[in-house]
Amino acid sequence: KNQVEQSPQSLIILEGKNCTLQCNYTVSPFSNLRWYKQDTGRGPVSLTIMTFSENTKSNGRYTATLDADTKQSSLHITASQLSDSASYICVVRALYGQNFVFGPGTRLSVLP
Amino acid sequence: EAQVTQNPRYLITVTGKKLTVTCSQNMNHEYMSWYRQDPGLGLRQIYYSMNVEVTDKGDVPEGYKVSRKEKRNFPLILESPSPNQTSLYFCASTLTGTPSGANVLTFGAGSRLTVL
Repeated sequence: KNQVEQSPQSLIILEGKNCTLQCNYTVSPFSNLRWYKQDTGRGPVSLTIMTFSENTKSNGRYTATLDADTKQSSLHITASQLSDSASYICVVRALYGQNFVFGPGTRLSVLP
Repeated sequence: EAQVTQNPRYLITVTGKKLTVTCSQNMNHEYMSWYRQDPGLGLRQIYYSMNVEVTDKGDVPEGYKVSRKEKRNFPLILESPSPNQTSLYFCASTLTGTPSGANVLTFGAGSRLTVL
């Protein structure tokens, strides 16, 4: 069964610190993986997409990595800001089928 | 502005009273879907639609209906709401449901439903 797991479930860091969120998936065959940021009570917004041939991609202070062999992705946030407080959701698509497979998300809290 | 619009944003209703949550997108997207989000469970897909008149069940379709008569609209219907359908609902769309495309889902702002 196609599944996406994320860790940690929640994370608290101080403003200015870095953090890394993990995503492990069993979706196969793999098409792409996307990280979304969801502010409380709002719809998720895409941060970055990773395809099979990509290892690293940056979007400002966000850097995503993908290891297609081990089926793992990470999202690294540099110099965190209070506005980074949100849930981060990993979403994977298989090459066949219509569903997007969602991870449960990691809840990040950035404290002053 | 390209967007997905859901209505109502907040609704309190009673068990058994039929309700419809509307979803409309202005991006000419083929693929639309509905999700519910409950604490600790993440987003779970209810129904999705690959195009007009083409709908299919997601992971948690029980108690819900949908229709796709027009490309831009994808309403979610609760024929007889029950308290276990109290949740935060999101509608989303993307250009095409083709898996090989690097499709980004555009989400609505969410509809918070409480069934008493």
